[in-house]
Amino acid sequence: AQSVTQLDSHVSVSEGTPVLLRCNYSSSYSPSLFWYVQHPNKGLQLLLKYTSAATLVKGINGFEAEFKKSETSFHLTKPSAHMSDAAEYFCVVSDPGGSGTYKYIFGTGTRLKVLA
Amino acid sequence: GAGVSQSPSNKVTEKGKDVELRCDPISGHTALYWYRQSLGQGLEFLIYFQGNSAPDKSGLPSDRFSAERTGGSVSTLTIQRTQQEDSAVYLCASSLGVYLQLNTEAFFGQGTRLTVV
Repeated sequence: AQSVTQLDSHVSVSEGTPVLLRCNYSSSYSPSLFWYVQHPNKGLQLLLKYTSAATLVKGINGFEAEFKKSETSFHLTKPSAHMSDAAEYFCVVSDPGGSGTYKYIFGTGTRLKVLA
Repeated sequence: GAGVSQSPSNKVTEKGKDVELRCDPISGHTALYWYRQSLGQGLEFLIYFQGNSAPDKSGLPSDRFSAERTGGSVSTLTIQRTQQEDSAVYLCASSLGVYLQLNTEAFFGQGTRLTVV
């Protein structure tokens, strides 16, 4: 069965420094992978998705993620954090699992705090 | 509509009452999902509809929870005899859901905040 693990429940960075949010997945098939962001009292917004066309995926607001099959990882990065990046980030895996249906499996989330 | 619409946005109910939560997916999306997000927690999968296939109900926490999707569009999540632990934000999402297109993203509604008192 597919699963996703977000290794850090909380991450704090200073404004202007790099961001790294870690995600490892488990899947029996070639997975689809996504990162979603949830700002306080807001809905979930797609940041980026892995489409198998390129292992380095660029998303909105300067975020990127790299798919590494050998490490079963899909870590989210950003070169320079901005105060507005403070939010909850969810890594998501989706694949058919052989049952003909598929669902999005969410990680438990990483809360990013950006310090002035 | 342009996005996934959920109603009501907030619902306060007394313990033991039944509640119905509604989701209007994006037009043309064949896949519809319900998730639950408890305070400070991640998203818990509840149920998944894909076209006319039998729904995946594997995430429903108890037989007090049920969901329907009429005409392949609007969905209703029903919670019977609500308990305080049912208090959470219930999120609905939809996607194109075409089986071969594994990379279709899910679009989320704003959620229904359910409080059981």
